[in-house]
Amino acid sequence: EAGVAQSPRYKIIEKRQSVAFWCNPISGHATLYWYQQILGQGPKLLIQFQNNGVVDDSQLPKDRFSAERLKGVDSTLKIQPAKLEDSAVYLCASSLVRRGYGYTFGSGTRLTVV
Amino acid sequence: GQQLNQSPQSMFIQEGEDVSMNCTSSSIFNTWLWYKQDPGEGPVLLIALYKAGELTSNGRLTAQFGITRKDSFLNISASIPSDVGIYFCAGLTNYGQNFVFGPGTRLSVLP
Repeated sequence: EAGVAQSPRYKIIEKRQSVAFWCNPISGHATLYWYQQILGQGPKLLIQFQNNGVVDDSQLPKDRFSAERLKGVDSTLKIQPAKLEDSAVYLCASSLVRRGYGYTFGSGTRLTVV
Repeated sequence: GQQLNQSPQSMFIQEGEDVSMNCTSSSIFNTWLWYKQDPGEGPVLLIALYKAGELTSNGRLTAQFGITRKDSFLNISASIPSDVGIYFCAGLTNYGQNFVFGPGTRLSVLP
């Protein structure tokens, strides 16, 4: 089966600019996650979707981050405006069931804010 | 919130040696996952553990769910160069909705 697709792979922007990332989960996976992975750390959950509804966004900095999954399939994560500390890899993952027994991750988008 | 600690932070071993790493927490978990991340890629699931005391193998990898439910261990036997990467543990509590990831153990294998 095809894996989790993410684009772009790399992005460099200046602080205060905006940026968007795209994720297409594995076909049939109802649950989709966005994680932020800062260099040298483990992934940290930003937001979890079940179909097109938000299940958990408690760690999403809502003043600048937003995410949507309008048709319950692919998803976009946006940062506006970006700060230097947003430099990280943004990983998308999907699973068949909520609280899934293991996620499948995409390759991530590496964001550098200068 | 729950935090996971992993040790060692990094390790250098000779090809062919066995490797042991662990993951600990002050909270009780009911599911443990072990992932490996190669440079520039997302983490890939290696082993999942669902019961205290459970011992599960995947090829040269063996992981155990600690009986206190606050720790887990991963062993790699006869390491090879492609074992190089960062190994993450992830845990799920009874009341948690999502997995919490540890900071990772970076493994380097010397030829």
